[in-house]
Amino acid sequence: RKEVEQDPGPFNVPEGATVAFNCTYSNSASQSFFWYRQDCRKEPKLLMSVYSSGNEDGRFTAQLNRASQYISLLIRDSKLSDSATYLCVALDRGSTLGRLYFGRGTQLTVWP
Amino acid sequence: NAGVTQTPKFQVLKTGQSMTLQCAQDMNHNSMYWYRQDPGMGLRLIYYSASEGTTDKGEVPNGYNVSRLNKREFSLRLESAAPSQTSVYFCASSSTHLTNQPQHFGDGTRLSIL
Repeated sequence: RKEVEQDPGPFNVPEGATVAFNCTYSNSASQSFFWYRQDCRKEPKLLMSVYSSGNEDGRFTAQLNRASQYISLLIRDSKLSDSATYLCVALDRGSTLGRLYFGRGTQLTVWP
Repeated sequence: NAGVTQTPKFQVLKTGQSMTLQCAQDMNHNSMYWYRQDPGMGLRLIYYSASEGTTDKGEVPNGYNVSRLNKREFSLRLESAAPSQTSVYFCASSSTHLTNQPQHFGDGTRLSIL
């Protein structure tokens, strides 16, 4: 079982829609969480960190539920430019490595 | 702002050939990483270097070696390439490996082994 599991999608939504992605993590020692965005044939780029109290950055809202070990990303008022793959990432600082564990990604397509 | 620079961007090799993928960062980061990304598999850590002078195995180290040449540079070597190593390789860096600082990625190297 992978450390971080995501629904691969694809999610196909019209412009202006609200879309939510969820991801679960299996290692309770995971202490920090991120959402990365990856465009087709490009490198992953940090979208936002996820804080325990939840955090918002413009149209994007990230939530963390430690009890259920899941993380969510909500995108409001979707734009065509939001089309990408969204990677859920957990940082395990319980090991000496301090590893990042990447989910396989959720693909989003926003259509006009 | 160069960030993380990888070379080459594309490479085709024959089975059994060797090559080295280069990575350099100009952000004064202590930690550097090599990942491979395959369809349906997500990013998998090959090797990492927590700080200059140290390297450790990640999730899929077999068939690879690394060198942390100095603080800026971290190279990945395939001694005898195999078709199973056909993949997209990403180098990344972060300020340290034990904090919640995010990793910054290079553009990737697309490697095909025939």
